[in-house]
Amino acid sequence: EPEVTQTPSHQVTQMGQEVILRCVPISNHLYFYWYRQILGQKVEFLVSFYNNEISEKSEIFDDQFSVERPDGSNFTLKIRSTKLEDSAMYFCAVDRVAGGRETQYFGPGTRLLVL
Amino acid sequence: KQEVTQIPAALSVPEGENLVLNCSFTDSAIYNLQWFRQDPGKGLTSLLLIQSSQREQTSGRLNASLDKSSGRSTLYIAASQPGDSATYLCAVGPTGNQFYFGTGTSLTVIP
Repeated sequence: EPEVTQTPSHQVTQMGQEVILRCVPISNHLYFYWYRQILGQKVEFLVSFYNNEISEKSEIFDDQFSVERPDGSNFTLKIRSTKLEDSAMYFCAVDRVAGGRETQYFGPGTRLLVL
Repeated sequence: KQEVTQIPAALSVPEGENLVLNCSFTDSAIYNLQWFRQDPGKGLTSLLLIQSSQREQTSGRLNASLDKSSGRSTLYIAASQPGDSATYLCAVGPTGNQFYFGTGTSLTVIP
C-alpha cells in the first residue's frame, strides 16, 4: 500500500513556464520532502518541509522553487520559470506515519520534460 | 557531507548466478540504509530497509547486510532472474533531513 502518490505522472512544458507538481499523502504525515533525479544522475535532495515551513533545503533549491501545503493535505513543488536543466524525475517522500524521521517513503515520481 | 558510492556501476550475469552489489558511505552516523530498485524511466521501489542497529535484512532472494562502522552495505541476490534486471540504488540517512543516494548499479541478467 503506497504511502504517497504523485500527480501528474508526466508533464511536458515549455521553457519559462510555471509548473506545479503535487504530492498526495495517503495517511497523516508530518514531514515532506522533494528530491529530483536528472537522467543518468543521482537522486538529489531538494527540500524538506515540516509544520508548514521549510526545515532544510539544498543549494539546488533556489528562488525558482517553492513548496507549500495549500489545503493542509497535498504538498506541492512549484517551479516558477522552468529551464531546460529542470528536466528530471521529481520524487516526493514522506516520513513514517508515526511521525518519526527515521525513514522516508518515496512516491512514484513525476517526470518533467522542459522543451 | 555524506558520500555514497556503489560498485560496480554495471554488472552483467547469466541467469541463475548469485551476485553481490556493494555500497559504501563516508559518514557512519546514519539512522538506516535502504536499497531500492529502479526500472528505466520509473520510480523507486524500496527493497530492503536496514536500521542502524541491525546487521542484515532478508526478503525472498534478497539479503542486505550493514556494517556501519566500516561504512559498507552489500545486497546479495540469489539465483538471479532476467526480471531482476534494473538499476539498484543504495540510500543512507537521514542526515539532517535528507537521504543520500549512490549512483546505482545497473544489473543485466542474461537468460
